[in-house]
Amino acid sequence: EPEVTQTPSHQVTQMGQEVILRCVPISNHLYFYWYRQILGQKVEFLVSFYNNEISEKSEIFDDQFSVERPDGSNFTLKIRSTKLEDSAMYFCASKGTGGETQYFGPGTRLLVL
Amino acid sequence: ELKVEQNPLFLSMQEGKNYTIYCNYSTTSDRLYWYRQDPGKSLESLFVLLSNGAVKQEGRLMASLDTKARLSTLHITAAVHDLSATYFCAVVKNTGTASKLTFGTGTRLQVTL
Repeated sequence: EPEVTQTPSHQVTQMGQEVILRCVPISNHLYFYWYRQILGQKVEFLVSFYNNEISEKSEIFDDQFSVERPDGSNFTLKIRSTKLEDSAMYFCASKGTGGETQYFGPGTRLLVL
Repeated sequence: ELKVEQNPLFLSMQEGKNYTIYCNYSTTSDRLYWYRQDPGKSLESLFVLLSNGAVKQEGRLMASLDTKARLSTLHITAAVHDLSATYFCAVVKNTGTASKLTFGTGTRLQVTL
């Protein structure tokens, strides 16, 4: 069964460093999303992406964040200068055209020290 | 702003018992989802509810949607330990096909022997 994959599974970084989180959505899906979940809290929307551009972004998704689809398979989230409060689990999700369900990847646990 | 609330936040129940988790949302919504999350894991899609009065069942779980009351329920029948997890409802407002999910606060279910 097709699934969303994410790398790395865990990342530890120093405050102020740049991180890139990678996702491979399900192959025929066209809608891509990033969400995050701070430990013990609910899942929050960051950004949606379709047709090579951002469709919608939340207030969390400020200038420090960017997304890219550098090739036909990968979808990345870059945090330019990490802050302590960026520590969270980051989930990538994808959805097919005409599909209703967003399928989530296993997540990347980011720890900023 | 769309708000999604769940109750209870935590539920401890014995095996064999029945219980219901409630999900209220604040504005008109197109679709409602239920996801399951095991500790440290990703989100697994359980149900998608698309219209008023929709009812879906899978094993010991049954979800329903009342769009007039802006309420969805997830009913657990004869709980078993394997159902222990956190359950999230999520709502999509009609913002187009790239629509984001707005998640509820989550209900942590613990089924004890």
